[in-house]
Amino acid sequence: DTAVSQTPKYLVTQMGNDKSIKCEQNLGHDTMYWYKQDSKKFLKIMFSYNNKELIINETVPNRFSPKSPDKAHLNLHINSLELGDSAVYFCASSQGGGPQGTQYFGPGTRLLVL
Amino acid sequence: AQSVTQLDSQVPVFEEAPVELRCNYSSSVSVYLFWYVQYPNQGLQLLLKYLSGSTLVKGINGFEAEFNKSQTSFHLRKPSVHISDTAEYFCAVSEIIQGAQKLVFGQGTRLTINP
Repeated sequence: DTAVSQTPKYLVTQMGNDKSIKCEQNLGHDTMYWYKQDSKKFLKIMFSYNNKELIINETVPNRFSPKSPDKAHLNLHINSLELGDSAVYFCASSQGGGPQGTQYFGPGTRLLVL
Repeated sequence: AQSVTQLDSQVPVFEEAPVELRCNYSSSVSVYLFWYVQYPNQGLQLLLKYLSGSTLVKGINGFEAEFNKSQTSFHLRKPSVHISDTAEYFCAVSEIIQGAQKLVFGQGTRLTINP
């Protein structure tokens, strides 16, 4: 069983389109995250949710809107896609939001905006 | 704000040779440090973490890291590498933002194992 899963794995789309990425975790964790990894492999947190509540929003453009329907799911919707949105997006989860926790990552969604 | 610097972007080594991947951090508070590994086309997985106590931390796949407070370092080592260790390695420091964990990652070090 995959602990943290993401769909789709690959996403190729045109500028200006709207797209969504879905994430599900079956670990029973209460905290979920979205990260963006750019072409140079730099990894940066975008959002963090705890028990469906947004906790961290790291100066991400308003075109990105996360939604957490329940503790096991955290989706990412992106409006009006731009070339600079091309990246690998990782979902992660952890139990609790404490500083000592281990985050479990999904396999990533590779987004290419043309 | 806390930060992490990985001093080497790429490290090539021969199989069965020892390796050290360097990581320095800056933090003004209690520090929690992590090493994650990313195999090609996969997500990240935890290798090891330092929370407190013994400064030598052992992780999975034969890796270990030493926390050095005076040098603000957390270098990762393995005495003998295998082809399967080829991956990107990320050092990270954990901080709390509004009660939630925020991992701040270094730039990553690509470890390439040559036969």
